[in-house]
Amino acid sequence: GAGVSQSPSNKVTEKGKDVELRCDPISGHTALYWYRQSLGQGLEFLIYFQGNSAPDKSGLPSDRFSAERTGGSVSTLTIQRTQQEDSAVYLCASSSLIRGPATRPTTDTQYFGPGTRLTVL
Amino acid sequence: AQKVTQAQTEISVVEKEDVTLDCVYETRDTTYYLFWYKQPPSGELVFLIRRNSFDEQNEISGRYSWNFQKSTSSFNFTITASQVVDSAVYFCAFTPAARQLTFGSGTQLTVLP
Repeated sequence: GAGVSQSPSNKVTEKGKDVELRCDPISGHTALYWYRQSLGQGLEFLIYFQGNSAPDKSGLPSDRFSAERTGGSVSTLTIQRTQQEDSAVYLCASSSLIRGPATRPTTDTQYFGPGTRLTVL
Repeated sequence: AQKVTQAQTEISVVEKEDVTLDCVYETRDTTYYLFWYKQPPSGELVFLIRRNSFDEQNEISGRYSWNFQKSTSSFNFTITASQVVDSAVYFCAFTPAARQLTFGSGTQLTVLP
């Protein structure tokens, strides 16, 4: 089946502008993650959605960053008033929820999209 | 807090050589999951393997093998008879549950013809 898709693949914007990045997860996957990959910081977690639960926003670097997931499927990551340090590749991943036995927590494998390369001039 | 260390920043080998990529993790969790991902020049992260902490059996998949040593908190990855197409950045990652991954800094592997 189709993998995780992201759009746009590349985005160049001017400092101070808002941008929206889109992620379309694998059909049926209940969990969706956003990560950021930059030269200085490696791969960093941003936000996590699981089903209808409140998202885990603990990785968002500032209040300029927000994300939503509509209908439990497509997600949009919004960066307001972009800064040059926001330049990075933004990666989206999705996973299904696999429940193990009662003595084990759940486990899943995250499958990644191709990413959106954001350049802030 | 969890931490994943990939001490090898760059490795260069000649085709057909074997190469081992090291991964060491730190955690106080008793149950956790370890992963390896490959990032070729195209940029997409490709899943290679998931290993559960309660299953220390090593695994082999073709030319790839993984050695999980809970006693030394290591999850090393060996490529046998390397090929040019193996050239990529390889990331080791950790999660204590079905949550976000903590990644190592990655190892850039270059396989020369």
